[in-house]
Amino acid sequence: ELKVEQNPLFLSMQEGKNYTIYCNYSTTSDRLYWYRQDPGKSLESLFVLLSNGAVKQEGRLMASLDTKARLSTLHITAAVHDLSATYFCAVDAGSGTYKYIFGTGTRLKVLA
Amino acid sequence: GAGVSQSPSNKVTEKGKDVELRCDPISGHTALYWYRQSLGQGLEFLIYFQGNSAPDKSGLPSDRFSAERTGGSVSTLTIQRTQQEDSAVYLCASSLAFNSGRSGELFFGEGSRLTVL
Repeated sequence: ELKVEQNPLFLSMQEGKNYTIYCNYSTTSDRLYWYRQDPGKSLESLFVLLSNGAVKQEGRLMASLDTKARLSTLHITAAVHDLSATYFCAVDAGSGTYKYIFGTGTRLKVLA
Repeated sequence: GAGVSQSPSNKVTEKGKDVELRCDPISGHTALYWYRQSLGQGLEFLIYFQGNSAPDKSGLPSDRFSAERTGGSVSTLTIQRTQQEDSAVYLCASSLAFNSGRSGELFFGEGSRLTVL
């Protein structure tokens, strides 16, 4: 059974600092997604990574995928308060299932 | 509609009652998903539909939970004889399935918050 783990679970950082969130998964998959959830809100899509070595960037966030290591990273550059949210990765369970398993989430708080 | 619509947004019920939660996906989206999110927790997969069929029901917590989708559009999640542990936010998402040449990313509704007293 596919397991998806993120670390850290909680992250408090100062504005202007850099940090990386990690997403590890347990079985082979070529597709990984990152979502953002603001408090009391639903999830919105951030990045779609569809192959080994895929890298996507949007503003201060950059996501990458290493399917051989079963690892994705979400890198935050020069954090700002508006990035405070919970970030989830999600992995396709594979074998044509189209079933997406979500990670535990990383709650990010950027301090001014 | 422009996005995924869920109703009710909030539901308070007494233990033992049945509840129905509705999801209206984005028009044309063939795949529809139900997840459950307990307070401060991650997303727990419940079930997904491809068209009107549910290839994977493995996430339904018990036989008190059921879901259906009609006309390849609206879906209803039914919880019978609700228990306090059923209290959570139930999220619905839809997508163009990956095999249609799309990315498979999910578009989420705002959720239905269920409180069982």
